[in-house]
Amino acid sequence: DAKTTQPPSMDCAEGRAANLPCNHSTISGNEYVYWYRQIHSQGPQYIIHGLKNNETNEMASLIITEDRKSSTLILPHATLRDTAVYYCIVRRTLIIQGAQKLVFGQGTRLTINP
Amino acid sequence: EAGVTQFPSHSVIEKGQTVTLRCDPISGHDNLYWYRRVMGKEIKFLLHFVKESKQDESGMPNNRFLAERTGGTYSTLKVQPAELEDSGVYFCASSRDRDNSPLHFGNGTRLTVT
Repeated sequence: DAKTTQPPSMDCAEGRAANLPCNHSTISGNEYVYWYRQIHSQGPQYIIHGLKNNETNEMASLIITEDRKSSTLILPHATLRDTAVYYCIVRRTLIIQGAQKLVFGQGTRLTINP
Repeated sequence: EAGVTQFPSHSVIEKGQTVTLRCDPISGHDNLYWYRRVMGKEIKFLLHFVKESKQDESGMPNNRFLAERTGGTYSTLKVQPAELEDSGVYFCASSRDRDNSPLHFGNGTRLTVT
């Protein structure tokens, strides 16, 4: 699977939008971008994923550049409970081989400040 | 729907003893994954079941670890005999049988080997 690069840490003020960048310059055409987060002592939580179009759900928005070499996760109105480690993961999906594992990196430690 | 559940949430055992961790995936999810995080390290993949078959066990550290998923429902991960370096948090995840279906994680079992 393609490797991703994320800043090790970020800070954001409560109520502001948190924009978390991710570089995946070696991504292939059949690879999706997934975002997960891990809040202390809990299991990783799925946030959102996309292939090439921008995606939005109740938790966040995912903006993928046209060349697909980078993406940004946006938490529109960050709260203290959004403090967590955020993981950007590129996952190869092959219809023939079926579901594929996730490979976690170091992630970005996001701290929301009051 | 009920999420992925793991039992026990914590386990403390002595070196040389045996421990069995259990994972109940989300109902209807054919894919089941085991991961672990040891102190200070990244979340690492252990293995992946599709129903009762092992699809990928490339992450299993050694033959002291045995994973089973009889009947394709719940799974167990046995460590025998446990060593100090096995301490960490063991996560289970499940997903539907579609190639881009996200993984949903349980809250993990914290294993401490003394």
